[in-house]
Amino acid sequence: GAVVSQHPSWVICKSGTSVKIECRSLDFQATTMFWYRQFPKQSLMLMATSNEGSKATYEQGVEKDKFLINHASLTLSTLTVTSAHPEDSSFYICSARGSDLGQPQHFGDGTRLSIL
Amino acid sequence: QKEVEQDPGPLSVPEGAIVSLNCTYSNSAFQYFMWYRQYSRKGPELLMYTYSSGNKEDGRFTAQVDKSSKYISLFIRDSQPSDSATYLCAMLSPRSNTGKLIFGQGTTLQVKP
Repeated sequence: GAVVSQHPSWVICKSGTSVKIECRSLDFQATTMFWYRQFPKQSLMLMATSNEGSKATYEQGVEKDKFLINHASLTLSTLTVTSAHPEDSSFYICSARGSDLGQPQHFGDGTRLSIL
Repeated sequence: QKEVEQDPGPLSVPEGAIVSLNCTYSNSAFQYFMWYRQYSRKGPELLMYTYSSGNKEDGRFTAQVDKSSKYISLFIRDSQPSDSATYLCAMLSPRSNTGKLIFGQGTTLQVKP
């Protein structure tokens, strides 16, 4: 149980384009979803937290106009990197959790984003 | 000082060894403790989840929480080459408004055949 699917797993695109990443909870209702960024050999850096039907809460230093998050249903959240540039290249990972704060987060397999 | 400290390693052990991975923390409000395993270029996978103090065992894995010492451990018995990965500890306070996990840096483990 508790499967989170993230798509695409790898994307390469030109500088200036926008890229959308999907995160789906397949077998549970994800009241809260989280988006992380991970640099090589480093731990996870939380970018934003989203609750179903509400605006996302962004961590300090994360540009909300650059990283658009939508959490329109209990099974789907999307992250759109707008006007992507090479410095946005990274490994992006989503996680999902049920309605109870104490429930563990379950992670997707990540999206490797490469901006040329 | 970081809220959660974890030795990044790398830790190299022979196949069959008992592995001990540890994290220390400073926030006494943490009540939920997790261990995740992350293979290269994959997302973290939940291994163990513990509330408050005590031990929890699941197959070859045992998680221990010592709240008096602010110290948590993950033991892996009969380690296998497939256990080679990065292990992340994570913690959460019930007082958190958002459920934001606080992660350790991760320990890279290599189990040699």
